[in-house]
Amino acid sequence: KNEVEQSPQNLTAQEGEFITINCSYSVGISALHWLQQHPGGGIVSLFMLSSGKKKHGRLIATINIQEKHSSLHITASHPRDSAVYICAVRSQSGGAQKLVFGQGTRLTINP
Amino acid sequence: EAGVAQSPRYKIIEKRQSVAFWCNPISGHATLYWYQQILGQGPKLLIQFQNNGVVDDSQLPKDRFSAERLKGVDSTLKIQPAKLEDSAVYLCASSSRQAYNEQFFGPGTRLTVL
Repeated sequence: KNEVEQSPQNLTAQEGEFITINCSYSVGISALHWLQQHPGGGIVSLFMLSSGKKKHGRLIATINIQEKHSSLHITASHPRDSAVYICAVRSQSGGAQKLVFGQGTRLTINP
Repeated sequence: EAGVAQSPRYKIIEKRQSVAFWCNPISGHATLYWYQQILGQGPKLLIQFQNNGVVDDSQLPKDRFSAERLKGVDSTLKIQPAKLEDSAVYLCASSSRQAYNEQFFGPGTRLTVL
């Protein structure tokens, strides 16, 4: 079992729909990141969370430390939101901090 | 501010050949990471440098992979000899000491091993 699990793996929706992507993890963490990866490989950091909730534009990220679970929400989704969304947790291993990534959720928003 | 640069963007080689990737991090970023991302999976850390020293290379297949960052700036990752299962996108990222938690990623090098 992976240390970071995302669901769903693939999600297709119509423009305007409310989108939720989930991330569960099994290790102790100091922070959780949500990243966006567009075709061609470039990765952009969306959020870094250690507790509570953050909002940026139409994107909202929440984390529940007790339940080891985080969600990424997109309101009023748009075709340009189509990308792979990756959850990554920062954990301590062997004296160094490292990021452990989920497998990603491929989101497609149709016009 | 220029981003993380990587080259080449694409590379196709035959198995048992050698290949090298280059990364130039954001100016002033002390920490540099190499990740391997196999199709359909999230990135996996191969090696992490702090300046020119290795912090974590526990997941680097050292029998065939090597990496260096001699002057604490740009870095090269080499595979010798390549196997079919090395086909992946190789991502380089960097972070500053001050903003350790935020990593900036390069565009990646897509490697296909035939």
